[in-house]
Amino acid sequence: QKEVEQDPGPLSVPEGAIVSLNCTYSNSAFQYFMWYRQYSRKGPELLMYTYSSGNKEDGRFTAQVDKSSKYISLFIRDSQPSDSATYLCAMSADGGGSQGNLIFGKGTKLSVKP
Amino acid sequence: DAGITQSPRHKVTETGTPVTLRCHQTENHRYMYWYRQDPGHGLRLIHYSYGVKDTDKGEVSDGYSVSRSKTEDFLLTLESATSSQTSVYFCAISVTGVKQFFGPGTRLTVL
Repeated sequence: QKEVEQDPGPLSVPEGAIVSLNCTYSNSAFQYFMWYRQYSRKGPELLMYTYSSGNKEDGRFTAQVDKSSKYISLFIRDSQPSDSATYLCAMSADGGGSQGNLIFGKGTKLSVKP
Repeated sequence: DAGITQSPRHKVTETGTPVTLRCHQTENHRYMYWYRQDPGHGLRLIHYSYGVKDTDKGEVSDGYSVSRSKTEDFLLTLESATSSQTSVYFCAISVTGVKQFFGPGTRLTVL
């Protein structure tokens, strides 16, 4: 079983839809959770960061962490064509640092149609 | 790209030749990382640094070496490039080691 599982998609939605992106994980020690957005032929861009459980909202984006289910989600409200990108989840048990162990999902490719 | 540059941005080389990729940051962040990104595998850590001259191996370090002689520069060297090292290479930096910020990437093709 992979440490982090993420459906690769592709996911296609109409403009204005609510998008739900998800990752599951197996390591109960993970406590730092991130979502990155990666446009084609660009580097990943940090979108959301959450420590431990709970929700975090930033504009149209909401990140949720459910540690009891080992499940994290990213919701995008009022999706726009500019949201079309690959979304990567990432997580760490001990904050990375000298251990350098940020574990990434393989990414979900999202397409928002006008 | 958070004050990170990578050079070269594109490179084509032949099997058996040495290759060095450079990551330069202007943020004075302590931690620096090298990842490779391949279809079906996602981002995988090659090597990382937690200070000048302090480096350690990641998940896929075989065939790669790194050096960090200055805070701002982190070099990745492929000792003898192989076709399996054809990939997109990303450098990342971090203050704390958790929130990592990525550079624009280097596309390397080994023929």
